[in-house]
Amino acid sequence: NAGVTQTPKFQVLKTGQSMTLQCAQDMNHEYMSWYRQDPGMGLRLIHYSVGAGITDQGEVPNGYNVSRSTTEDFPLRLLSAAPSQTSVYFCASSDGDQPQHFGDGTRLSIL
Amino acid sequence: DAKTTQPPSMDCAEGRAANLPCNHSTISGNEYVYWYRQIHSQGPQYIIHGLKNNETNEMASLIITEDRKSSTLILPHATLRDTAVYYCIVRVLGSSGDKLTFGTGTRLAVRP
Repeated sequence: NAGVTQTPKFQVLKTGQSMTLQCAQDMNHEYMSWYRQDPGMGLRLIHYSVGAGITDQGEVPNGYNVSRSTTEDFPLRLLSAAPSQTSVYFCASSDGDQPQHFGDGTRLSIL
Repeated sequence: DAKTTQPPSMDCAEGRAANLPCNHSTISGNEYVYWYRQIHSQGPQYIIHGLKNNETNEMASLIITEDRKSSTLILPHATLRDTAVYYCIVRVLGSSGDKLTFGTGTRLAVRP
């Protein structure tokens, strides 16, 4: 049981490039979320999903797309990276009223 | 969503109890108080949660005031490994998802 797995752990992009941050969970959780954390700040919700085929926007969704074709996977896409998207990205999952489980994060730098 | 207020930093001596306060004066009756911590830049780690009764587990105790407007996380015997940022969060669960609203937390430093 690996929990929540995020890949890659580190990534450097140039402005304008696109990429997908991967998130997978093996706990059959319905809820999955993406957060970003900027230096000295708490986590902010980007997008979330309440189940396969259903996604919605969080607090800071601009510049990011998500999809949820399976229960296990919830990828986050940056279509045209900007320096303001330099951050640490965390994926989380939960089911019912159980606590959210977080991945180890992806550290993304955009030059 | 209910907001939380925490002191930005605290410290305590190793082996002593660490008491971390949190104000959540706008909490609704069906909202839970959750505590997470983040060590270095790892993913947040769940500690404990409660609705209105005091709770205890192997990591910590949670004391919630009768009016539910504030709570205290207690680490009974703090160790150096407990140095982290501690987040008090009001959790909103429902048909629109599971949303955690993080503040800036309390940075706890445990000194030898």
